[in-house]
Amino acid sequence: EVQLLESGGGLVQPGGSLRLSCAASGFTVASYTMAWVRQAPGKELEWVSSIRAFGDNTFYADSVKGRFSISRDDSKSTLFLQMNNLRAEDTAVYYCAVEAPNAVYFHSWGQGTLVTVSS
Amino acid sequence: DIQMTQSPSTLSASVGDRVTITCRASQSISTWLAWYQQKPGKPPKLLISKASTLENGVPSRFSGSGSGAEFTLTITSLQPDDFASYYCQQYNSYSRTFGQGTKVEIK
Repeated sequence: EVQLLESGGGLVQPGGSLRLSCAASGFTVASYTMAWVRQAPGKELEWVSSIRAFGDNTFYADSVKGRFSISRDDSKSTLFLQMNNLRAEDTAVYYCAVEAPNAVYFHSWGQGTLVTVSS
Repeated sequence: DIQMTQSPSTLSASVGDRVTITCRASQSISTWLAWYQQKPGKPPKLLISKASTLENGVPSRFSGSGSGAEFTLTITSLQPDDFASYYCQQYNSYSRTFGQGTKVEIK
């Protein structure tokens, strides 16, 4: 059974940084493209970033490009999202997700971790 | 970026009703469309991929159709467990974009 467990969320001031982690199990993590998707309170889903399997190819939404960095440690089956220069509009639940093979939709999701950016 | 527009934003229906949700893309996306169900406080759940392929374990009362720029999600006989929000997502381009969602509520 696929399990994704996010951690690292919390309250941070505008301009601050936070690092999210996603511990994955139940599948061969290294074989899959992994992603972060966020959802602001009461709002729609927004794809944030993805990192391909077996390589360093990374992709970002324009809204986070240059501020967020996605990475993975396949030896520990863990996905990361380093978030810098945070803004109030980054406040959201951040979900870790697994992309389907050869297609960029999300077939498995974690429970999410809440990031609140406020002074 | 490809924009996705869902309608309606909210839908009031009763158990047993047939429900249809529409998703329109700002340009053709072939059949590169997925549908998700989300309940309050929970992550989304994948229902349908490639516009009409039902995921394992999803009840057959759910169906998807469409191609190009217009798509529909149909629930043939609404059940109590189906009251939730539904999102479409295009994956034609690297920038995966979602619709704004449709909330199906009890009439």
